[in-house]
Formats: sequence, C-alpha cells, structure tokens
Amino acid sequence: QKEVEQNSGPLSVPEGAIASLNCTYSDRGSQSFFWYRQYSGKSPELIMFIYSNGDKEDGRFTAQLNKASQYVSLLIRDSQPSDSATYLCAVNSGTGNQFYFGTGTSLTVIP
Amino acid sequence: DAGITQSPRHKVTETGTPVTLRCHQTENHRYMYWYRQDPGHGLRLIHYSYGVKDTDKGEVSDGYSVSRSKTEDFLLTLESATSSQTSVYFCAINRQGMNTEAFFGQGTRLTVV
Repeated sequence: QKEVEQNSGPLSVPEGAIASLNCTYSDRGSQSFFWYRQYSGKSPELIMFIYSNGDKEDGRFTAQLNKASQYVSLLIRDSQPSDSATYLCAVNSGTGNQFYFGTGTSLTVIP
Repeated sequence: DAGITQSPRHKVTETGTPVTLRCHQTENHRYMYWYRQDPGHGLRLIHYSYGVKDTDKGEVSDGYSVSRSKTEDFLLTLESATSSQTSVYFCAINRQGMNTEAFFGQGTRLTVV
C-alpha cells in the first residue's frame, strides 16, 4: 500500500510567521506531488504542485521536494488568519494515475 | 470551477438500503475518482475510472460499486448501506494525467442510520 504521512498537528503560528508543513511518502516511483488546502466543510483546493527536486515558489507559498529522502514540504510565509485550514499532501504514483493523500495537518494562524 | 457537480449534497438513508451517488463533469476529462473522507483517515480512494466502462478498485472498495456509461457521469453505488459507510464522499477529476492535479467536487455528506 502506498502511504503518505503527515503530522496531523494541530500547528499554531502567529500572524506574520512562517508555517512549515511536512510530508513523507513510501513509493519511490511517485511522480508528482501536490499540496491542497481544505477549509472545514469544503472540498480540497489545490495550492501547488511540484515534480522536480528542489524548491518551487508561488507568492507566499514554497513547495520543496527531496525525492532521495521521499520528503515534500510546504512553507507559508507571512501567515494570515485566512490560511487557517487543513493542508493535505497528495502523491501521484504514476501507476493507474492514482492520487494518494495524507491525513492532513491542521493549521491555525493566531491574529 | 472545474465543472464537477455531485448529487445529492446530503443524504440520510437506512442500513441495508442501496444508495447511488452521482458525479457529473462538463469538461470531458478521462479520469474520474471517488474518495471518502473520515476523521483520522484523510481521503481514501474507493474506485476510479480511466474511461467509459473502464474502472478499477481503490484501497477501500469493499461494499461499493461504480459505473461509467458516459464520459461525463461516474456513479458510486453502496450496494447495502452500513453505518461504517457514513462519511463525506468526494468525486474528483484529472484533466490530463500525470503531473496534473485532481479537482474536487463539492462533496456528498452521507449518513447511514
């Protein structure tokens, strides 16, 4: 079974701080990696995807991928109260084009 | 908006009854998925489809069946609902395949009493 592990939190950071979210995956054949944000009672929405080793930046968000360590992270700079949500890490294994999700990390940004 | 509609949005049903959830897409994408989301378990894949009449099982497929007779519709059926199937069900589509993201519908909250 392909596993995606996240620290469930909750993670609390003050407004303006950097929030760091981490994810590990078990399948070395995984091809692409995604971060979703999910507000309570809503569906997941994509924040970023990454498929090459290194960093990828988009506004206040930076995704980091290390395939050798099977590790993906998401950094949120200048955290805002509106960033308070559950963040889901997802992996596409390539085989069957299936997406596997972690259990999510709950983030609270304190004003 | 990725053009995905789930119906119904909410449903309460009795144990032992069959239930069908519908996912409709307007954008002609090849891949469609059904997930369930439960506290502590995250999103778990039930079944997925890679084309009309082409479906396969996910990690939690027991007690569920699917059908895809048209590109735009992917149906999930609980053959005989049980309380353990009380959950939020999400349909998702994938536009092009690898290195592209999955887009989710609004979800269906199903309660089995």
